[in-house]
Amino acid sequence: IQMTQSPSSLSASVGDRVTITCRASQNINTFLNWYQLKSGKPPKLLIYGASNLQSGVPSRFSGSGSGTDFTLTITRLQPEDFATYLCQQTYSAPPFTFGPGTNVEIK
Amino acid sequence: EVQLVESGGGLVQPGGSLKLSCAASGFDFSASAIHWVRQASGKGLEWVARIRSKADSYGTAYSASVKGRFTISRDDSETTAHLQMNSVKIEDTAVYFCARLRWVGGTNCFDYWGQGTLVTVSP
Repeated sequence: IQMTQSPSSLSASVGDRVTITCRASQNINTFLNWYQLKSGKPPKLLIYGASNLQSGVPSRFSGSGSGTDFTLTITRLQPEDFATYLCQQTYSAPPFTFGPGTNVEIK
Repeated sequence: EVQLVESGGGLVQPGGSLKLSCAASGFDFSASAIHWVRQASGKGLEWVARIRSKADSYGTAYSASVKGRFTISRDDSETTAHLQMNSVKIEDTAVYFCARLRWVGGTNCFDYWGQGTLVTVSP
């Protein structure tokens, strides 16, 4: 299963609403996770099962979708949210395929 | 507190070997599947290997890029997982993370990760 993300990068301002899309090459039900990646730090789980917020993750993060199309939304972007976001499918695994990532930069 | 701590990274020549370790604490290690994921500099994440628990017969799996060269293992008595890297290539250069697979609500995810250990393959 191939995972794609769009956009590959985006520029946004603090307080903006940001939406990132992830698409699977075939149906993965809701076996879709989102991670945040920052330089020098391990990946951080944000959303599991497409729409479930991981404990401790701020509620401005939300996920939706099923089948092949998924979105990660960040409402009211905060300075600490500037990072790379990756989706991951675990429906047909192994391999536990990651998307290529979306880099969220400061405008 | 759940902790995963990787060690064993370093500089190795192409064709050489290296053994990474992932020391775990704070959870039922013996009941958990452990995965290795790597990140090359400036790149995204690539899943590398997994080992299941004893209850799942210690089943292993590998990415196509490392199959036949890397071996994942675990020692439940030491709550440690290992990744034996043989015949390494320059393209194996990356930070290697170990992660715990968690099953929840009928789905699964990598909920805890180590800090990573850097492997550099260079002549």
